Amino acid sequence: GNSVTQMEGPVTLSEEAFLTINCTYTATGYPSLFWYVQYPGEGLQLLLKATKADDKGSNKGFEATYRKETTSFHLEKGSVQVSDSAVYFCALRIQGGSEKLVFGKGTKLTVNP
Amino acid sequence: EAQVTQNPRYLITVTGKKLTVTCSQNMNHEYMSWYRQDPGLGLRQIYYSMNVEVTDKGDVPEGYKVSRKEKRNFPLILESPSPNQTSLYFCASSLGEGWYNEQFFGPGTRLTVL
Repeated sequence: GNSVTQMEGPVTLSEEAFLTINCTYTATGYPSLFWYVQYPGEGLQLLLKATKADDKGSNKGFEATYRKETTSFHLEKGSVQVSDSAVYFCALRIQGGSEKLVFGKGTKLTVNP
Repeated sequence: EAQVTQNPRYLITVTGKKLTVTCSQNMNHEYMSWYRQDPGLGLRQIYYSMNVEVTDKGDVPEGYKVSRKEKRNFPLILESPSPNQTSLYFCASSLGEGWYNEQFFGPGTRLTVL
């Protein structure tokens, strides 16, 4: 089946620290990969995406590279800010069928000043 | 402004009292979907719709109904809510077929069933 595994949280960092949130996937087809962010009390927003192997998605200083050989899509940011505190979800979507997003369980990030 | 709206945002109800959560999008999207979010489980799909009058079950459809009479609206109906349906619900939409398309999410509806 299709599934996403992301690192358990919570993750607590100091401002300007380097962030990595690991994400690996299992897919029966060729997925597109997404990172969504959920700020406190809000819905999910797309942070970045990649639709084929070796694509790098980037937005707001965050990056993730679609690695087919390791079935991974790790999220990174070089210098986090307090405003990055949120829950981050890795997700995949497969062509055909329900075309649903399959989500990981989420990783809560807290950035302290 | 392009958006997905949900109403109500918060709802407390009692077991067995029928309720409807509305979802509307103004982006002319064909695909719409409902998810529920529970601690430690992430988001799981309840129902989805590929277009008007085309709906199908997701991973956790028991206890829910949907309809898609108009392209912009996709209400979620709980005929007889139970406490295990206490959850945070999200509606989402995206542009037609294409697994690479971004899904846009509504702000969420927090439902408590007593």
